[in-house]
Amino acid sequence: SYVLTQPPSVSVAPGQTARITCGGPSIGTIAVNWYQQKPGQAPVLVIYSDGDRPSGIPERFSGSNSGNTASLAISGVEAGDEADYYCQVSGGSGALRFFGGGTKLTVL
Amino acid sequence: QVQLVESGGGVVQPGRSLRLSCAASGLTFSDSYMHWVRQPPGKGLEWVAFISKDGQSIGYADSAVGRFIISRDNSKNRLYLQINSLTVGDTAVYYCGTDGEAGSLDYWGQGTLVTVSS
Repeated sequence: SYVLTQPPSVSVAPGQTARITCGGPSIGTIAVNWYQQKPGQAPVLVIYSDGDRPSGIPERFSGSNSGNTASLAISGVEAGDEADYYCQVSGGSGALRFFGGGTKLTVL
Repeated sequence: QVQLVESGGGVVQPGRSLRLSCAASGLTFSDSYMHWVRQPPGKGLEWVAFISKDGQSIGYADSAVGRFIISRDNSKNRLYLQINSLTVGDTAVYYCGTDGEAGSLDYWGQGTLVTVSS
């Protein structure tokens, strides 16, 4: 098992940069993926392999990963970015997946 | 485009079994590694199970070992999750998803709700 620790909530004013962290032992040595989930909807992949964006995800979304902490940054935050965000990694020689507990992003 | 549609959810009594299904289209299913993820009401995502494209490699979360069985039928483009001896703690929306780059889940279905209640 691999435990990923996220802050329960992050608040940011519109136009500012939101940063959401994901902590885990030596997480910098494994790829981290990030998902956005809005109420009543399925999760959407927004960052994979630490910092790559899937097609259709705005450049405002970026990721980094080093040491024991990975981070998702959302620049120029908009009201529509308000959602729950989850980090995720793989383990067990690729057969297992682990999710963080999620962070609720509130746009003030 | 890729479409994943889950079915088989509903209200079920504790101790009973249930089989969930995920119908895939818009992709070469037989080349796709697949996952099940669940989300209890008001709570976070919990990865449940993984199956390789040929079904030869399978992985389960600790909470799923012994009661959950993931399987697939590539001839029907379908993924399955059998859940035995259901408990109230299994109440959740169950999502299927495709395996993507860096172990991500790049496509998700809309989920099917399983409610375990007497």
